[in-house]
Amino acid sequence: NAGVTQTPKFRVLKTGQSMTLLCAQDMNHEYMYWYRQDPGMGLRLIHYSVGEGTTAKGEVPDGYNVSRLKKQNFLLGLESAAPSQTSVYFCASSYARVADTQYFGPGTRLTVL
Amino acid sequence: AQSVTQLGSHVSVSEGALVLLRCNYSSSVPPYLFWYVQYPNQGLQLLLKYTTGATLVKGINGFEAEFKKSETSFHLTKPSAHMSDAAEYFCAVRAWSGGYQKVTFGTGTKLQVIP
Repeated sequence: NAGVTQTPKFRVLKTGQSMTLLCAQDMNHEYMYWYRQDPGMGLRLIHYSVGEGTTAKGEVPDGYNVSRLKKQNFLLGLESAAPSQTSVYFCASSYARVADTQYFGPGTRLTVL
Repeated sequence: AQSVTQLGSHVSVSEGALVLLRCNYSSSVPPYLFWYVQYPNQGLQLLLKYTTGATLVKGINGFEAEFKKSETSFHLTKPSAHMSDAAEYFCAVRAWSGGYQKVTFGTGTKLQVIP
């Protein structure tokens, strides 16, 4: 039982390049989330998904797209990276009830030059 | 509207001293409250959560928190700090809002434990 895994762990991009971050969970959770963590700002929700094929915008969705083609995977895409997207990205998953615990992945550190 | 305020971005305590990390929230609907811990270069790990029932919640590593509705607070405490408690702690509130789950995290409190 690996929990929540994220690929890659580190990435450096040049401005304008694109990339996709992969999140996978093996707990059969319905909900999946993408957050970004910046110093002094806590975690901010980018996008989330309530089930396979369903996604929704969070607090800071601009510049990102997501897809959830399979229940266990949640992809975060940057079509044209900007330096403002330099951050640590965390994926999380949970069951559907509000009281359920979110389980977090180890994070991806992204630097955009 | 939903928000979380963590008072003090940095807190220092001596080893063996009381740990008190403050969290105040606002929510227009009954909230579910969580405390997470993050060690350097790792993801967040759940310490404890309040859903319903008993307002004093016990978590892992000797931490506990008390939900006080009248004060809209959910402060985290530990009677005696250990060096291994040095980490960043996040308070979070979750509630149904407009037909979907809304999750809001505080900005975090870094705990330093002085030997």
